Amino acid sequence: DTEVTQTPKHLVMGMTNKKSLKCEQHMGHRAMYWYKQKAKKPPELMFVYSYEKLSINESVPSRFSPECPNSSLLNLHLHALQPEDSALYLCASMAGQTTDTQYFGPGTRLTVL
Amino acid sequence: GQSLEQPSEVTAVEGAIVQINCTYQTSGFYGLSWYQQHDGGAPTFLSYNALDGLEETGRFSSFLSRSDSYGYLLLQELQMKDSASYFCAVRVNRGGFKTIFGAGTRLFVKA
Repeated sequence: DTEVTQTPKHLVMGMTNKKSLKCEQHMGHRAMYWYKQKAKKPPELMFVYSYEKLSINESVPSRFSPECPNSSLLNLHLHALQPEDSALYLCASMAGQTTDTQYFGPGTRLTVL
Repeated sequence: GQSLEQPSEVTAVEGAIVQINCTYQTSGFYGLSWYQQHDGGAPTFLSYNALDGLEETGRFSSFLSRSDSYGYLLLQELQMKDSASYFCAVRVNRGGFKTIFGAGTRLFVKA
């Protein structure tokens, strides 16, 4: 099973809402990532988890809060977002750290009203 | 600072060969990757070069020259389904391993 799943596929939220994005993989990968991608732009790294510990936070605003409850799951908690946060949020996982074979999930398309 | 340069668009004919170049400038360099992304889809890993030389995977090949901070992706026997965006990306270790993507090259394959 080389699949990374993400839920929900689409999310519309107001600026005062709290919501969560979920990512799951069962490949035994110990590195997991959150990326943000705007239309016609490259993916931008937000967070890296390695062995369930946050290893990189790319100066992401605190209204985005990541969580790694176990080695298969990655969540991204959203609170008080701004319209400019509307984007495709991609999760990826990888077996090791020194290669770059990342498996991406299909993404959650987020719209903030 | 860091930079990744690749052409914004390339157009080629079905059955042809196309080369997408990538130059980079970064610290903590480990390797160069290539990802493909179709419209509305997620990025898909194509190749990774950590050492100098050519890596071949089917119709796709990737090359790296660390001394020139340069790499390329070669696509042979182009098919219509190869129309997509192609991102070069550097794998770096700066306070932890991470991948930084270039702006992407949009490939249009014409019949």
